Amino acid sequence: GQQLNQSPQSMFIQEGEDVSMNCTSSSIFNTWLWYKQDPGEGPVLLIALYKAGELTSNGRLTAQFGITRKDSFLNISASIPSDVGIYFCAAETSGSRLTFGEGTQLTVNP
Amino acid sequence: GAVVSQHPSRVICKSGTSVKIECRSLDFQATTMFWYRQFPKQSLMLMATSNEGSKATYEQGVEKDKFLINHASLTLSTLTVTSAHPEDSSFYICSARRGWGNLLGTDTQYFGPGTRLTVL
Repeated sequence: GQQLNQSPQSMFIQEGEDVSMNCTSSSIFNTWLWYKQDPGEGPVLLIALYKAGELTSNGRLTAQFGITRKDSFLNISASIPSDVGIYFCAAETSGSRLTFGEGTQLTVNP
Repeated sequence: GAVVSQHPSRVICKSGTSVKIECRSLDFQATTMFWYRQFPKQSLMLMATSNEGSKATYEQGVEKDKFLINHASLTLSTLTVTSAHPEDSSFYICSARRGWGNLLGTDTQYFGPGTRLTVL
């Protein structure tokens, strides 16, 4: 099936640092999404991307839909302790179904 | 906003019993709802897609007779885990989607808070 390769698997950073994570696939997608999941909660949508090459920001978060439609990245600038959590990329396949990446566990040290 | 609720948030049951989980879209009508399962330290895995008034479509490897899905209205879908066993213990998450497609590129899935199922 279609798989998303998300990296890095985990990150340990200091407060104030910038963070970058990405997802790649061998398949082409029309929609890329980035979610954040806190422990014991459902994923919360951060950014949705609908066009190849699209660059979208949401506060300190910026995400881009790769021009080849096979990848996407998420940047977080000036990280703060509440950024801690698991970040998932997701891509939409046929029938509006979502395929998720493996997740990036982010730890921010104050 | 786009709020999706799940009930219960946590359930513990004995092996062999059935458990029903509800998923509701509170402030919009969801033409499609999805059910996911997430094991500890793993990603979300899609179990099935349900459209209001029609039978659910299950992903490969998901037993439809074990995981019964009912999508009786545009705001409610239920997942019933029948004859639950310890290996069914997991975090079950639903999502709801507005609209009928992605023609405008503005609809996406909004997730519920999840239900922690523990089967003893």
